[in-house]
Amino acid sequence: AQRVTQPEKLLSVFKGAPVELKCNYSYSGSPELFWYVQYSRQRLQLLLRHISRESIKGFTADLNKGETSFHLKKPFAQEEDSAMYYCALSAKAAGNKLTFGGGTRVLVKP
Amino acid sequence: ETGVTQSPTHLIKTRGQQVTLRCSSQSGHNTVSWYQQALGQGPQFIFQYYREEENGRGNFPPRFSGLQFPNYSSELNVNALELDDSALYLCASSSRDSSSYNEQFFGPGTRLTVL
Repeated sequence: AQRVTQPEKLLSVFKGAPVELKCNYSYSGSPELFWYVQYSRQRLQLLLRHISRESIKGFTADLNKGETSFHLKKPFAQEEDSAMYYCALSAKAAGNKLTFGGGTRVLVKP
Repeated sequence: ETGVTQSPTHLIKTRGQQVTLRCSSQSGHNTVSWYQQALGQGPQFIFQYYREEENGRGNFPPRFSGLQFPNYSSELNVNALELDDSALYLCASSSRDSSSYNEQFFGPGTRLTVL
């Protein structure tokens, strides 16, 4: 069975401080990992995926298969980063459905 | 390019009633997935439709059913509504034939309240 855990419900940081959102997963095969973001009054949208290995809006995430983690990091948080963040897993063997974590709310204070 | 749309935006029903939610997929997409998002939780996969057939189902009872039409739009039907069915229902579309198949584009959701 697939499972995604985001241990922090809320992260509150000051503008300019680093922010790290934790994500751990369990899946016996080779998953694809994503971070989705939902800004206030907007729809859920893809932030980044581990396959692309790119930085989006200053965020990066590295897949650590040994620790089964896919933590999201940004060295200098901005107020516009305040949003709800969801880690998600997908696997072809499981029909490519997305399994989401419970989400972490990030609040960046001025 | 038109994004994913859902209707209605909000809906209030009573226990035991039936409801139909609608979703229009993004232009060029042929796969639709439905998710239920209860308050304070992440979205949970209900089922996925591809070429008008169910292509994977999550841990939801048979009273949750769906359809996909030739234009790739989709409906989610829920019979015998229960209080716990109150949630935000999200539709997501994707293109099975593209290299970015797993990238799903979400609609704004339908907020269902069961009284």
